[in-house]
Amino acid sequence: ETGVTQSPTHLIKTRGQQVTLRCSSQSGHNTVSWYQQALGQGPQFIFQYYREEENGRGNFPPRFSGLQFPNYSSELNVNALELDDSALYLCASSPDWGDTQYFGPGTRLTVL
Amino acid sequence: DQQVKQNSPSLSVQEGRISILNCDYTNSMFDYFLWYKKYPAEGPTFLISISSIKDKNEDGRFTVFLNKSAKHLSLHIVPSQPGDSAVYFCAARTYGNKLVFGAGTILRVKS
Repeated sequence: ETGVTQSPTHLIKTRGQQVTLRCSSQSGHNTVSWYQQALGQGPQFIFQYYREEENGRGNFPPRFSGLQFPNYSSELNVNALELDDSALYLCASSPDWGDTQYFGPGTRLTVL
Repeated sequence: DQQVKQNSPSLSVQEGRISILNCDYTNSMFDYFLWYKKYPAEGPTFLISISSIKDKNEDGRFTVFLNKSAKHLSLHIVPSQPGDSAVYFCAARTYGNKLVFGAGTILRVKS
């Protein structure tokens, strides 16, 4: 059984650009959540998708947006990148809403 | 507003001894608590969880204790092994399956 995968592994962008990060959920999982982990901190909840609908959002501005596809894979889009967006972005999937979340390895985003 | 706090940034323990990692929370509405372990260049790995209606959950060498009146939980690892060296995150679940994480504790198990 394949776990949660994320792409790309690393990414370097400049301020003002836009970025798309991708996540493939674990097989059979219909819920995906995205987290931002800044250096020295714990992961912070960005938003969650359940069966292709946004199902909750943390304290992140609208330039953070997402999508979940019929195969339950997901994208995180960030527009107008700022230096503070530099972080590890983690995707987590769960078999169903409310179940334990299983994390992917993350995408390290650096904004210059 | 830090709802979940891990006050010890790091902990060093001798192999074979007990490791105790602590976590405090402020929100009484959390219904589930989880511990994740994270190695460098990997995502957090689920370790063990406990429902807010229980006070103890055990899985092999790992035991989590929950003290609701003190809003405190702890993870005990017995016996500690060098492979347990990692960053440990305490997380609490709110309505909507959102996880709120602490800042993590670096555990070093010395052989």
